[in-house]
Amino acid sequence: GAVVSQHPSRVICKSGTSVKIECRSLDFQATTMFWYRQFPKQSLMLMATSNEGSKATYEQGVEKDKFLINHASLTLSTLTVTSAHPEDSSFYICSANSMGQETQYFGPGTRLLVL
Amino acid sequence: KNEVEQSPQNLTAQEGEFITINCSYSVGISALHWLQQHPGGGIVSLFMLSSGKKKHGRLIATINIQEKHSSLHITASHPRDSAVYICAVGFTSGSRLTFGEGTQLTVNP
Repeated sequence: GAVVSQHPSRVICKSGTSVKIECRSLDFQATTMFWYRQFPKQSLMLMATSNEGSKATYEQGVEKDKFLINHASLTLSTLTVTSAHPEDSSFYICSANSMGQETQYFGPGTRLLVL
Repeated sequence: KNEVEQSPQNLTAQEGEFITINCSYSVGISALHWLQQHPGGGIVSLFMLSSGKKKHGRLIATINIQEKHSSLHITASHPRDSAVYICAVGFTSGSRLTFGEGTQLTVNP
């Protein structure tokens, strides 16, 4: 099946710094990518939907200036957590699909710890 | 009320037992997904269904569109099946998914 990778798999950073997470579709063109956040013992929560070449659509309550999403190509989307704070510590997961396709392919996730 | 409800929340079984996890949703959907998440966090897509039944190895997924209900069955369960199983639905084709709360399955040897 199709493969989606994320980098890094885990990252520890100091409060106030910015962290960039990459999501890549390795063998298909991802017209849409979704970014999720998952807190311990909770389900995935959609943060934003990103279509290649256009601005991301953010879910209610998600600050677009804090979580910058760029989807400049059909194989790469990035999520930048700006001025990270300890409460941003979470597991971030991306998924991707191709135009008109139902199947979503999930990345392995990135665990962020902000000290 | 969550649009997608799973039951049970937690399930403990002995190795070899037949396991069923249920998922109900409130409105018509385009597709339903069953996902598996292991303790490390990575998510694997097990099935995508829009009707009927699918089988892959020891896993079987069924969906009843009229009753808005899906089940995931695991036959001859094994400790390596221990994971969180998540039901997710797409209400329109290719759109965002809405997730259930997940079912934590523990299979003891």
